[in-house]
Amino acid sequence: GDSVTQMEGPVTLSEEAFLTINCTYTATGYPSLFWYVQYPGEGLQLLLKATKADDKGSNKGFEATYRKETTSFHLEKGSVQVSDSAVYFCALSEEVNDMRFGAGTRLTVKP
Amino acid sequence: KAGVTQTPRYLIKTRGQQVTLSCSPISGHRSVSWYQQTPGQGLQFLFEYFSETQRNKGNFPGRFSGRQFSNSRSEMNVSTLELGDSALYLCASSLGGFAGELFFGEGSRLTVL
Repeated sequence: GDSVTQMEGPVTLSEEAFLTINCTYTATGYPSLFWYVQYPGEGLQLLLKATKADDKGSNKGFEATYRKETTSFHLEKGSVQVSDSAVYFCALSEEVNDMRFGAGTRLTVKP
Repeated sequence: KAGVTQTPRYLIKTRGQQVTLSCSPISGHRSVSWYQQTPGQGLQFLFEYFSETQRNKGNFPGRFSGRQFSNSRSEMNVSTLELGDSALYLCASSLGGFAGELFFGEGSRLTVL
């Protein structure tokens, strides 16, 4: 079945460092891809999404490009801030609202 | 507008008991999905309801059930609780279209002793 694999954490970076969190997927069809973020004590929030190959999702300085040839959707940010510390989830959806999530990557940014 | 509201936020039960969790979606949202989050298994899809009908179901035993009311509010029930059911149960609402954004509540944290 459909699944998502993302890099294991935790990831610890210094403020202003470059961030990459790898995400690859397995799907039978043409899924939509998502990154969600979970701040401490909160539910998940959509960070960005892409619905077809070569689409780039972006929000709050984060970017991810839907790469069909490599079945990947890596999350990047050029300069992280302490406030970016959270758990990041890669996810895909082929059917209506049947969202499949990766295991999550905990990011800690130190000042 | 108000976000997704889940009640109760925390609860403790003992093995064999049953529990009912409630979710009030964002006004106008007709789809409600439920997820179980545990450190070991991560986020796992339980089921999704749209206009009072279950549209999708994950791979959970029949002890896990849900329903949706005409006002889109949803409840999930877990019967004959097991220790392994200890988890954060997250509810998410959406307008219901394909690949639409899910809006999550803060979750109900269930501890089974």
